[in-house]
Amino acid sequence: DQQVKQNSPSLSVQEGRISILNCDYTNSMFDYFLWYKKYPAEGPTFLISISSIKDKNEDGRFTVFLNKSAKHLSLHIVPSQPGDSAVYFCAASDRKGDKFYFGSGTKLNVKP
Amino acid sequence: NAGVTQTPKFQVLKTGQSMTLQCAQDMNHNSMYWYRQDPGMGLRLIYYSASEGTTDKGEVPNGYNVSRLNKREFSLRLESAAPSQTSVYFCASSEISGNTIYFGEGSWLTVV
Repeated sequence: DQQVKQNSPSLSVQEGRISILNCDYTNSMFDYFLWYKKYPAEGPTFLISISSIKDKNEDGRFTVFLNKSAKHLSLHIVPSQPGDSAVYFCAASDRKGDKFYFGSGTKLNVKP
Repeated sequence: NAGVTQTPKFQVLKTGQSMTLQCAQDMNHNSMYWYRQDPGMGLRLIYYSASEGTTDKGEVPNGYNVSRLNKREFSLRLESAAPSQTSVYFCASSEISGNTIYFGEGSWLTVV
């Protein structure tokens, strides 16, 4: 059973608007979370991270929010740009930190 | 900056054949990983090596073996390829376990 879930396989947003990508996890031991962006035929590239001691982390147009009680995190992209069109993966690791568990990804399409 | 380099990029195998995917990183990272990506399944960990000289199973290790040849190199071997192993394989590394991981560009493997 997947421990990290991205329930929306795809999302379409107009350029300039906000994109919100969601991620849920089941393991309460997870305490470090990452978001990756992946273009076709390329490897995933690191976007932003958050640890469980924080509930928000911001980097330019990208903000990640963590709701530990709901076991939910979200990635906000504001404003969205056509170059943001890609597949986004969230990942989580536990306190032992040996490995990361990935969600199945959300394909974002930003329309000009 | 090369980062994580994996070879070959594309390979077609017949059922029962063996092959080795090679991976090298030049970031002096301690931990290395092999993931596979399948449609709707996200990235699943096959094997990882938390440090030179150690290897451990991930989520989907069956049918694979690994070798941490030295700090830089981590290879993945398919002893007897099966069509279920048709996938995109990603090698990754991190400074230490639980830190941000960096991916290679992927190896597309088809088993016929």
